[in-house]
Amino acid sequence: EDKVVQSPLSLVVHEGDTVTLNCSYEVTNFRSLLWYKQEKKAPTFLFMLTSSGIEKKSGRLSSILDKKELSSILNITATQTGDSAIYLCAAVPISSGSARQLTFGSGTQLTVLP
Amino acid sequence: GAVVSQHPSRVICKSGTSVKIECRSLDFQATTMFWYRQFPKQSLMLMATSNEGSKATYEQGVEKDKFLINHASLTLSTLTVTSAHPEDSSFYICSATEQGYEQYFGPGTRLTVT
Repeated sequence: EDKVVQSPLSLVVHEGDTVTLNCSYEVTNFRSLLWYKQEKKAPTFLFMLTSSGIEKKSGRLSSILDKKELSSILNITATQTGDSAIYLCAAVPISSGSARQLTFGSGTQLTVLP
Repeated sequence: GAVVSQHPSRVICKSGTSVKIECRSLDFQATTMFWYRQFPKQSLMLMATSNEGSKATYEQGVEKDKFLINHASLTLSTLTVTSAHPEDSSFYICSATEQGYEQYFGPGTRLTVT
């Protein structure tokens, strides 16, 4: 059974701090890893990682995949209160059909205090 | 960008009644739509995978007769919660994919059964 584990489950930091969120996976026929940010409604897409060792960056957020360690990290530098959210990672398997089911981790609840 | 809408965003119904939730892809044709359920402070749990024109594939433990899914067109899937009970109260989220690996999420529907 495919499994995705995130740590920590929750994290409280102050504005300006840097945080690192972890995601590890055990997925048969792994293809990609996705990171999402979820505030009050549905998740919004952050990154898709397919190749190991290549960092993806968007503003203060960056992420990298390590296929040897079966893991990924999401870094947020100079955190702001608006970064407070649940961060979800999800693994995508290779699929011969059109349906590519995601396996989600439990999420990391990040709270950034002013 | 790809936009997915859900309707209604919030619904309150009495125990024993049925509720229909719509999921629409607004600017692309969704060959596959997914339905998720999310309880407070928990991650998304996949309920079913829906391909246009065919029967939905349900995850283990999800009752097909209780959660009716119809994917009648490439832009619309519906989830009907039949004979709803208070334990069905949850946040229901759909996502849609064209042919790629990225899923676009709808804004979610908050269902409260009294």
